[in-house]
Amino acid sequence: GENVEQHPSTLSVQEGDSAVIKCTYSDSASNYFPWYKQELGKRPQLIIDIRSNVGEKKDQRIAVTLNKTAKHFSLHITETQPEDSAVYFCAASSIRDSWGKLQFGAGTQVVVTP
Amino acid sequence: GAVVSQHPSRVICKSGTSVKIECRSLDFQATTMFWYRQFPKQSLMLMATSNEGSKATYEQGVEKDKFLINHASLTLSTLTVTSAHPEDSSFYICSAPGPTENTIYFGEGSWLTVV
Repeated sequence: GENVEQHPSTLSVQEGDSAVIKCTYSDSASNYFPWYKQELGKRPQLIIDIRSNVGEKKDQRIAVTLNKTAKHFSLHITETQPEDSAVYFCAASSIRDSWGKLQFGAGTQVVVTP
Repeated sequence: GAVVSQHPSRVICKSGTSVKIECRSLDFQATTMFWYRQFPKQSLMLMATSNEGSKATYEQGVEKDKFLINHASLTLSTLTVTSAHPEDSSFYICSAPGPTENTIYFGEGSWLTVV
């Protein structure tokens, strides 16, 4: 089955700097890659996603890149702000599985210091 | 918009008892729902796929007799933790694909504490 690895586990950045989180996946049939932000004890919040027919997607300060050949995708947050501090998860969904079934990465605790 | 509602949000039960968690799709039908477990400071781990009208599909290592899943209608899936033990204490969260292909909705999650 799908295996998703995420790095780093923690990331400290100065306010205004950029943050990058990287994930790799194992199943070449994976075609949907969402990124979630989660506060403790709450549901994951989708912040951006990308499908396998696209190499890059951007939404204001957030961007995601996908390299299908290397089976990795990355989250980029520019001009970080204190409110960006949270745990971020990448995930992958394979066409071999029911739509909506996600395998999550281990998560990255992002701390933005003023 | 489409919403997935989960109940209860918090539950405390005694060791050895069973507890049921409900996951409802409020304004759309969900033939498939997913159950995840999340221990503190860890990731969401997929437990099983709940299939309306048929048996759930469990992930490797998840005990199907301990975590009973029932998906008797197109809007409701339930997870029953049977003979609960303190190590079952966790955050349980469900999800369902929305009415359009691009959406996945998560429930609010349920904190289970077994004492």
